[in-house]
Formats: sequence, C-alpha cells, structure tokens
Amino acid sequence: GAVVSQHPSRVICKSGTSVKIECRSLDFQATTMFWYRQFPKQSLMLMATSNEGSKATYEQGVEKDKFLINHASLTLSTLTVTSAHPEDSSFYICSARAGQNSNQPQHFGDGTRLSIL
Amino acid sequence: GNSVTQMEGPVTLSEEAFLTINCTYTATGYPSLFWYVQYPGEGLQLLLKATKADDKGSNKGFEATYRKETTSFHLEKGSVQVSDSAVYFCALSYSSASKIIFGSGTRLSIRP
Repeated sequence: GAVVSQHPSRVICKSGTSVKIECRSLDFQATTMFWYRQFPKQSLMLMATSNEGSKATYEQGVEKDKFLINHASLTLSTLTVTSAHPEDSSFYICSARAGQNSNQPQHFGDGTRLSIL
Repeated sequence: GNSVTQMEGPVTLSEEAFLTINCTYTATGYPSLFWYVQYPGEGLQLLLKATKADDKGSNKGFEATYRKETTSFHLEKGSVQVSDSAVYFCALSYSSASKIIFGSGTRLSIRP
C-alpha cells in the first residue's frame, strides 16, 4: 500500500529554535499534502493544505509565518515551526493524497512529537 | 459547524468480546463518514468508510452503518482480538472539499 514517511518521529529542543519536519510520499506522487496537529486527548486539527508548486492554504487561526510549509516537489513537503515555544509542543501528522480529487484517500505519516523546553 | 464526537476511552475488553465504539456527527448536507485506526507506533490507516445514508462500511471484521436519522456511525466488531488494540478515530469529509474532520480518538486495549 501507499507509504508516507515522516521525519523525525520525535524532537526535543529549546525555546526559540526552529524545527523542520519532513513528510515524504515513498511510492506515489503526492499532488496534495496536509498537515495536522493533535493535542493530547484531542482531535487531529487540520493546519494547512499544500499543493505542489503553490502556496499552502492555512486554516483559520493558524499563523502562516509561524508554521512555514513548503511543497517543492511531488514527494516532499516540509513544515517548519519557527521560533518554537512550549505552547507549540504537540503531535504533528502529515498526510498525502495522489490527486486533486478529494475522493482519493489520504495516506498518513506516523507523526512527529515535538517537545519545546 | 461540522464536528465529530466519539466515546472517550480508554476502552478495555477481553479477547472475543463484542465491541462498540460510539460516534455521532454534526454536519450539514451529506458528508462521507470514516473510521481510521492507528496502531502503536504507526500512522493512521483508513479502516472503513460509508458515503451515503444506510451504507455499511466493513473491513477486518469491523462494521459501521451510516445512520442519517440519528447522525451516527458506530463502530462494531463481534469478536475482538489482541491485535485490534489501537486508537480509533471517527471522521467525516465532503466530496467537494479536502478537509477531514476527526473525532478525538478512542484508545482500545484488548486483554488476552
């Protein structure tokens, strides 16, 4: 089946640093990638949708200058948390879809647990 | 707005017990409904889906029926196994949009 690789799986860093999370589709071309955030015991919340070669579309309340998304190729999207602070600590999950059609399934990565000290 | 509510966990059952995880939704129109499963250390996987009222999704012995009248999509399995231990997410989306709206997840633990 389709595989999405997310890296790193866990990161711990000091407040004020920037952290980059990669999401790769290993065996298909991902026209669209999604970034979700999950707080403990809460739902996955969509942060942004990115289409290869264009700017990401952010959900209401998500700071685009704080969470930089780059989808430069059909197999890679990155999320950079800039100047991270403890309140940014969370579980971040990406997913990828092969086409623009929303009836195509989303394939999820294993998630990245980010802890800011 | 649109939302999904599912029963809080953790749910702990003995092997071969009957499972029900309740899920209700609030939405306008006719969304598609999904159950996703996340096994320990892995990403989310689509378990089953239903795209219209009265449809039944099924996979790996799990079933869920799209009930428009009660706005529910409860997950059931007749005889659970230890390998079913995971976190289960109920979700909805619309065919004209890409966003998936997830419930908070229910952790299921099965005792041998």
